[in-house]
Amino acid sequence: GQQVMQIPQYQHVQEGEDFTTYCNSSTTLSNIQWYKQRPGGHPVFLIQLVKSGEVKKQKRLTFQFGEAKKNSSLHITATQTTDVGTYFCAAAEGSWGKLQFGAGTQVVVTP
Amino acid sequence: NAGVTQTPKFRVLKTGQSMTLLCAQDMNHEYMYWYRQDPGMGLRLIHYSVGEGTTAKGEVPDGYNVSRLKKQNFLLGLESAAPSQTSVYFCASSYEGRSTDTQYFGPGTRLTVL
Repeated sequence: GQQVMQIPQYQHVQEGEDFTTYCNSSTTLSNIQWYKQRPGGHPVFLIQLVKSGEVKKQKRLTFQFGEAKKNSSLHITATQTTDVGTYFCAAAEGSWGKLQFGAGTQVVVTP
Repeated sequence: NAGVTQTPKFRVLKTGQSMTLLCAQDMNHEYMYWYRQDPGMGLRLIHYSVGEGTTAKGEVPDGYNVSRLKKQNFLLGLESAAPSQTSVYFCASSYEGRSTDTQYFGPGTRLTVL
């Protein structure tokens, strides 16, 4: 069945640095969603990618869907302490498929 | 709108005890989900519901039962709690079951089984 792998599992970043987290699947995906969970909080929807090669930006966050629709990335520019949390990707194979969540990338920011 | 609420927020059980977690949503969503979150494992789907009176198994259903008697409520039951069920439980809902639908999560229930 479909599996969604996220790397790295843990990311320690100095404030002001950039970093990228990746989400990979062995199967072609219909769409991918990204969620953020603050420490002690619950997952909150960030963005969705549907089209092959799609790129979307939210301020310092850039999301990309791979050309083959098997992977996605989240790039954060000039990391701030407000970026602390765990970022999950969630993906499905079909239009009505259940979302499969990755294990998440836990981001720690050092001032 | 309260969105998705969960009761209780924290609970400690002894092995073999039972309990019910309540999830409520006021967004008139058709689909509701129960996930468990363990360190390094992400969110794993326990059971879900496609509408009032209908439930289905997810990825890790063993040891849990669910009911959806009313559209706005989704209950998760543990009949005989085990230490392996120590986890954070999240309820979520979505408008329909399309893979493009956003899932809205509740604040979570932190359960410890001793």
